Amino acid sequence: ILNVEQSPQSLHVQEGDSTNFTCSFPSSNFYALHWYRWETAKSPEALFVMTLNGDEKKKGRISATLNTKEGYSYLYIKGSQPEDSATYLCAFQTGANNLFFGTGTRLTVIP
Amino acid sequence: EAGVTQFPSHSVIEKGQTVTLRCDPISGHDNLYWYRRVMGKEIKFLLHFVKESKQDESGMPNNRFLAERTGGTYSTLKVQPAELEDSGVYFCASSQGTVFSGNTIYFGEGSWLTVV
Repeated sequence: ILNVEQSPQSLHVQEGDSTNFTCSFPSSNFYALHWYRWETAKSPEALFVMTLNGDEKKKGRISATLNTKEGYSYLYIKGSQPEDSATYLCAFQTGANNLFFGTGTRLTVIP
Repeated sequence: EAGVTQFPSHSVIEKGQTVTLRCDPISGHDNLYWYRRVMGKEIKFLLHFVKESKQDESGMPNNRFLAERTGGTYSTLKVQPAELEDSGVYFCASSQGTVFSGNTIYFGEGSWLTVV
Protein backbone atom coordinates (compact mmCIF):
# COMPACT_ATOMS: atom_id res chain seq x y z
CA ILE A 1 0.00 0.00 0.00
CA LEU A 2 1.46 3.34 -1.04
CA ASN A 3 1.11 6.24 1.36
CA VAL A 4 0.30 9.63 -0.13
CA GLU A 5 -0.17 12.37 2.42
CA GLN A 6 -1.56 15.84 1.97
CA SER A 7 -1.37 18.70 4.39
CA PRO A 8 -3.10 20.56 5.74
CA GLN A 9 -6.40 18.65 5.67
CA SER A 10 -8.28 21.91 5.44
CA LEU A 11 -7.66 25.61 5.52
CA HIS A 12 -9.53 28.87 5.33
CA VAL A 13 -7.99 31.91 3.70
CA GLN A 14 -9.19 35.40 2.98
CA GLU A 15 -9.92 36.45 -0.58
CA GLY A 16 -6.74 37.85 -2.10
CA ASP A 17 -4.38 35.84 0.09
CA SER A 18 -1.92 33.45 -1.45
CA THR A 19 -1.69 29.93 -0.12
CA ASN A 20 0.07 26.65 -0.65
CA PHE A 21 -0.27 23.05 0.36
CA THR A 22 1.83 19.92 0.29
CA CYS A 23 1.66 16.43 -1.13
CA SER A 24 4.14 13.82 0.10
CA PHE A 25 4.65 10.55 -1.70
CA PRO A 26 7.12 7.66 -1.92
CA SER A 27 10.38 8.60 -3.62
CA SER A 28 10.76 5.17 -5.22
CA ASN A 29 8.96 3.75 -8.26
CA PHE A 30 7.90 7.24 -9.26
CA TYR A 31 6.31 7.78 -12.63
CA ALA A 32 4.10 10.87 -12.34
CA LEU A 33 2.35 13.13 -9.86
CA HIS A 34 -1.14 14.40 -10.66
CA TRP A 35 -3.02 17.33 -9.13
CA TYR A 36 -6.78 17.60 -9.29
CA ARG A 37 -9.28 20.19 -8.18
CA TRP A 38 -12.55 18.69 -6.95
CA GLU A 39 -15.83 20.38 -6.12
CA THR A 40 -18.25 17.91 -4.57
CA ALA A 41 -20.79 16.50 -7.06
CA LYS A 42 -18.58 17.57 -9.97
CA SER A 43 -15.80 15.78 -11.81
CA PRO A 44 -12.32 16.07 -10.34
CA GLU A 45 -10.66 18.50 -12.72
CA ALA A 46 -7.14 17.70 -13.85
CA LEU A 47 -4.77 20.57 -13.06
CA PHE A 48 -1.28 19.18 -13.69
CA VAL A 49 0.57 16.00 -14.56
CA MET A 50 4.19 16.26 -13.49
CA THR A 51 6.83 13.71 -14.39
CA LEU A 52 10.29 15.25 -14.03
CA ASN A 53 12.17 16.19 -10.89
CA GLY A 54 12.25 19.96 -10.67
CA ASP A 55 9.15 20.36 -12.84
CA GLU A 56 7.22 23.58 -12.35
CA LYS A 57 3.83 24.00 -13.96
CA LYS A 58 1.46 26.93 -14.04
CA LYS A 59 -2.19 27.40 -14.95
CA GLY A 60 -3.43 30.92 -14.35
CA ARG A 61 -3.02 31.73 -10.65
CA ILE A 62 -2.25 28.11 -9.75
CA SER A 63 1.21 26.60 -9.96
CA ALA A 64 2.93 23.45 -8.75
CA THR A 65 6.45 22.22 -8.15
CA LEU A 66 7.82 18.70 -7.94
CA ASN A 67 10.71 17.12 -6.04
CA THR A 68 10.86 13.41 -6.79
CA LYS A 69 14.09 12.78 -4.87
CA GLU A 70 12.60 13.83 -1.56
CA GLY A 71 9.04 12.89 -2.49
CA TYR A 72 6.99 16.05 -2.30
CA SER A 73 5.03 18.48 -4.44
CA TYR A 74 3.69 21.91 -3.57
CA LEU A 75 0.58 23.52 -5.02
CA TYR A 76 0.41 27.31 -4.87
CA ILE A 77 -2.58 29.57 -5.38
CA LYS A 78 -1.85 33.24 -5.82
CA GLY A 79 -4.49 35.78 -4.89
CA SER A 80 -7.15 33.27 -3.82
CA GLN A 81 -10.69 33.86 -5.03
CA PRO A 82 -13.94 32.38 -3.67
CA GLU A 83 -14.24 30.22 -6.80
CA ASP A 84 -10.97 28.52 -5.81
CA SER A 85 -12.81 26.89 -2.91
CA ALA A 86 -12.59 23.16 -3.51
CA THR A 87 -10.74 20.06 -2.42
CA TYR A 88 -7.32 19.74 -4.02
CA LEU A 89 -6.21 16.17 -4.56
CA CYS A 90 -2.81 14.86 -5.43
CA ALA A 91 -2.27 11.39 -6.84
CA PHE A 92 0.94 9.41 -7.20
CA GLN A 93 1.40 7.22 -10.23
CA THR A 94 3.81 4.30 -10.32
CA GLY A 95 4.70 2.35 -13.42
CA ALA A 96 1.29 0.72 -13.25
CA ASN A 97 -1.39 2.80 -14.84
CA ASN A 98 -3.33 3.60 -11.69
CA LEU A 99 -3.28 6.46 -9.23
CA PHE A 100 -2.78 6.49 -5.45
CA PHE A 101 -4.62 9.48 -4.02
CA GLY A 102 -4.12 11.50 -0.89
CA THR A 103 -7.16 12.48 1.16
CA GLY A 104 -7.02 16.00 -0.17
CA THR A 105 -6.74 19.54 1.15
CA ARG A 106 -10.08 21.29 1.50
CA LEU A 107 -9.68 24.99 0.74
CA THR A 108 -12.28 27.60 1.67
CA VAL A 109 -11.74 31.15 0.44
CA ILE A 110 -13.65 33.67 2.49
CA PRO A 111 -14.94 36.70 0.54
CA GLU B 1 -16.16 17.10 -26.63
CA ALA B 2 -18.18 15.10 -24.12
CA GLY B 3 -16.41 14.16 -20.92
CA VAL B 4 -16.64 10.96 -18.95
CA THR B 5 -20.29 10.35 -18.15
CA GLN B 6 -21.67 8.18 -15.39
CA PHE B 7 -25.11 6.87 -14.57
CA PRO B 8 -26.87 6.97 -12.18
CA SER B 9 -25.59 10.05 -10.41
CA HIS B 10 -27.19 8.93 -7.15
CA SER B 11 -28.58 5.63 -5.98
CA VAL B 12 -30.06 4.52 -2.67
CA ILE B 13 -30.56 0.78 -2.28
CA GLU B 14 -31.19 -1.64 0.52
CA LYS B 15 -28.57 -4.03 1.82
CA GLY B 16 -28.67 -7.21 -0.23
CA GLN B 17 -29.91 -5.57 -3.40
CA THR B 18 -28.00 -5.23 -6.64
CA VAL B 19 -26.84 -2.02 -8.26
CA THR B 20 -25.24 -1.55 -11.67
CA LEU B 21 -23.27 1.58 -12.42
CA ARG B 22 -22.48 2.63 -15.95
CA CYS B 23 -19.60 4.64 -17.35
CA ASP B 24 -19.15 6.08 -20.83
CA PRO B 25 -15.53 7.15 -21.31
CA ILE B 26 -14.33 9.94 -23.56
CA SER B 27 -14.60 8.79 -27.15
CA GLY B 28 -11.38 7.21 -28.35
CA HIS B 29 -9.98 6.54 -24.89
CA ASP B 30 -8.83 2.95 -24.65
CA ASN B 31 -8.01 3.16 -20.95
CA LEU B 32 -10.91 3.08 -18.52
CA TYR B 33 -10.62 3.02 -14.74
CA TRP B 34 -12.94 2.62 -11.78
CA TYR B 35 -12.16 4.27 -8.47
CA ARG B 36 -14.09 4.53 -5.22
CA ARG B 37 -14.14 7.02 -2.37
CA VAL B 38 -15.65 5.90 0.89
CA MET B 39 -16.74 8.70 3.24
CA GLY B 40 -13.78 10.57 4.67
CA LYS B 41 -11.20 8.38 3.01
CA GLU B 42 -9.02 8.76 -0.04
CA ILE B 43 -10.08 7.84 -3.56
CA LYS B 44 -8.94 4.27 -4.19
CA PHE B 45 -8.27 2.38 -7.37
CA LEU B 46 -10.56 -0.53 -8.22
CA LEU B 47 -9.58 -1.66 -11.70
CA HIS B 48 -8.28 -0.71 -15.11
CA PHE B 49 -9.43 -1.76 -18.57
CA VAL B 50 -7.49 -1.43 -21.77
CA LYS B 51 -10.17 -1.68 -24.40
CA GLU B 52 -12.23 -4.70 -23.35
CA SER B 53 -9.46 -6.40 -21.35
CA LYS B 54 -8.96 -6.12 -17.62
CA GLN B 55 -5.40 -4.86 -17.24
CA ASP B 56 -5.39 -4.67 -13.46
CA GLU B 57 -8.17 -5.55 -11.05
CA SER B 58 -6.05 -5.62 -7.92
CA GLY B 59 -8.21 -3.00 -6.21
CA MET B 60 -11.52 -4.85 -6.41
CA PRO B 61 -12.53 -5.43 -2.79
CA ASN B 62 -14.20 -8.84 -3.17
CA ASN B 63 -16.21 -11.03 -5.52
CA ARG B 64 -19.38 -9.03 -4.94
CA PHE B 65 -18.00 -6.55 -7.42
CA LEU B 66 -18.03 -7.32 -11.14
CA ALA B 67 -16.83 -4.96 -13.86
CA GLU B 68 -17.28 -5.45 -17.57
CA ARG B 69 -16.42 -3.54 -20.69
CA THR B 70 -17.93 -5.44 -23.56
CA GLY B 71 -16.80 -4.17 -26.95
CA GLY B 72 -14.29 -1.84 -25.36
CA THR B 73 -16.68 1.10 -25.14
CA TYR B 74 -18.79 1.71 -22.05
CA SER B 75 -18.26 -0.14 -18.81
CA THR B 76 -20.50 -1.37 -16.04
CA LEU B 77 -19.72 -2.04 -12.40
CA LYS B 78 -22.15 -4.31 -10.62
CA VAL B 79 -22.35 -4.73 -6.87
CA GLN B 80 -24.26 -7.85 -5.85
CA PRO B 81 -25.31 -8.16 -3.09
CA ALA B 82 -24.64 -4.67 -1.78
CA GLU B 83 -23.44 -4.22 1.79
CA LEU B 84 -23.49 -1.13 4.00
CA GLU B 85 -19.72 -0.61 3.63
CA ASP B 86 -20.12 -0.30 -0.14
CA SER B 87 -21.59 3.18 0.30
CA GLY B 88 -19.49 5.87 -1.29
CA VAL B 89 -18.86 7.60 -4.56
CA TYR B 90 -17.74 5.50 -7.50
CA PHE B 91 -15.67 7.37 -10.04
CA CYS B 92 -15.00 6.32 -13.58
CA ALA B 93 -12.05 7.78 -15.44
CA SER B 94 -10.51 7.43 -18.86
CA SER B 95 -7.29 8.27 -20.63
CA GLN B 96 -5.77 8.08 -24.05
CA GLY B 97 -2.45 6.39 -24.69
CA THR B 98 -0.25 4.37 -22.42
CA VAL B 99 1.33 4.79 -19.04
CA PHE B 100 4.53 6.01 -20.71
CA SER B 101 2.97 9.14 -22.17
CA GLY B 102 2.35 11.08 -18.95
CA ASN B 103 -1.26 11.28 -20.00
CA THR B 104 -4.00 13.05 -18.13
CA ILE B 105 -6.65 10.84 -16.59
CA TYR B 106 -10.11 12.40 -16.89
CA PHE B 107 -12.75 11.70 -14.28
CA GLY B 108 -16.53 11.59 -14.37
CA GLU B 109 -18.73 13.21 -11.74
CA GLY B 110 -19.13 9.95 -9.90
CA SER B 111 -22.04 7.74 -8.97
CA TRP B 112 -23.02 8.30 -5.35
CA LEU B 113 -24.17 5.05 -3.79
CA THR B 114 -25.91 4.78 -0.45
CA VAL B 115 -26.69 1.34 0.93
CA VAL B 116 -29.22 1.35 3.77
